[in-house]
Amino acid sequence: GQQVMQIPQYQHVQEGEDFTTYCNSSTTLSNIQWYKQRPGGHPVFLIQLVKSGEVKKQKRLTFQFGEAKKNSSLHITATQTTDVGTYFCAGRLDTGRRALTFGSGTRLQVQP
Amino acid sequence: NAGVTQTPKFRVLKTGQSMTLLCAQDMNHEYMYWYRQDPGMGLRLIHYSVGEGTTAKGEVPDGYNVSRLKKQNFLLGLESAAPSQTSVYFCASSYSRDTGELFFGEGSRLTVL
Repeated sequence: GQQVMQIPQYQHVQEGEDFTTYCNSSTTLSNIQWYKQRPGGHPVFLIQLVKSGEVKKQKRLTFQFGEAKKNSSLHITATQTTDVGTYFCAGRLDTGRRALTFGSGTRLQVQP
Repeated sequence: NAGVTQTPKFRVLKTGQSMTLLCAQDMNHEYMYWYRQDPGMGLRLIHYSVGEGTTAKGEVPDGYNVSRLKKQNFLLGLESAAPSQTSVYFCASSYSRDTGELFFGEGSRLTVL
């Protein structure tokens, strides 16, 4: 079964509010990536985290990788309508498998 | 530089029919993947390839076959389509196994009646 879980499944916010999605793995991850998929589009790479406890920022987006390398989060400050879409985490399990395992995604809706 | 191109973009099949989805990348990537996306399920890996002439099973390989005869192409075949295979299929490629980001095609929407 799916080993990378993501919550919440859906979130509806008012423009200007903050948003956070969480990703949890049952096993240690060698690295984790985040992707954004606009409605009707394809997933587009946002960032990769590799080190335990790593924090990276991209403008209003903050990405964290947990100390145990089993969880991660994406936080968006002051959402804008352009942030609408589904955000996926994707972890590379630390078991030698050569492909990413995607979380089920969090769909973000931003009301102007 | 087109990136990752999938054909066809849309297809409707009857149960039992066969078809092949083609994925082509022009980035000289070693690694290629086929995912399916269903509502609430995220992206699930069907098959992948770590180089020309190689293929491996992913999470949900049953009912699908793949081939990687040329480095730039990765074909996904359905020998006998079933309604459960109605989905959006995404092909992706990456330059590195361990750290490479995935570059996705635009997707192929398949409906099996």
